[in-house]
Amino acid sequence: QKEVEQNSGPLSVPEGAIASLNCTYSDRGSQSFFWYRQYSGKSPELIMFIYSNGDKEDGRFTAQLNKASQYVSLLIRDSQPSDSATYLCAVNFGNEKLTFGTGTRLTIIP
Amino acid sequence: GAVVSQHPSRVICKSGTSVKIECRSLDFQATTMFWYRQFPKKSLMLMATSNEGSKATYEQGVEKDKFLINHASLTLSTLTVTSAHPEDSSFYICSARDPSGSKDTQYFGPGTRLTVL
Repeated sequence: QKEVEQNSGPLSVPEGAIASLNCTYSDRGSQSFFWYRQYSGKSPELIMFIYSNGDKEDGRFTAQLNKASQYVSLLIRDSQPSDSATYLCAVNFGNEKLTFGTGTRLTIIP
Repeated sequence: GAVVSQHPSRVICKSGTSVKIECRSLDFQATTMFWYRQFPKKSLMLMATSNEGSKATYEQGVEKDKFLINHASLTLSTLTVTSAHPEDSSFYICSARDPSGSKDTQYFGPGTRLTVL
């Protein structure tokens, strides 16, 4: 069974601090990894994708991938109240489909 | 780029009726589209993979005769919920893969909220 695990939260972070979201997956051979943000009542929107070990930065967002540990994370720097949402980790296990985690609910406290 | 639209955004229907939801890729051609369902406070559940010009591939437990999928062109896939019942009330979201973009990346439509009375 190919699985993606996330801590459901809620995760509360003060405004301006760094929010750290974590995700583990079951298949060591997985190739591509995605982070989506979903506001309540809305559909997911793509934040970042990462394929290679290491860090990938885009503005305030940094994705970190460690294939040996089967672990991918998302860091949000200088957190803003508008970052409050559910963050979904998704993994492609090599069959064109994405498997989603249950999501982590993030709340930024002003 | 990579914009996906869905129509309608919200629909309320009586039990026993059929509802058609359209998913369009607006600025790219999508050979593959996906249909998801999401219940309140739950994660996305893939229902089926829709391939242009061929039959959809349904996930285990999804009734293909109840959820009819047609992918007639490279920019349009439709999901028809036949003989809808209250338990079919959910948030239905489509996504499309842009073959010219980063591999495997899926872009989501805004979703359709279905309420069956």
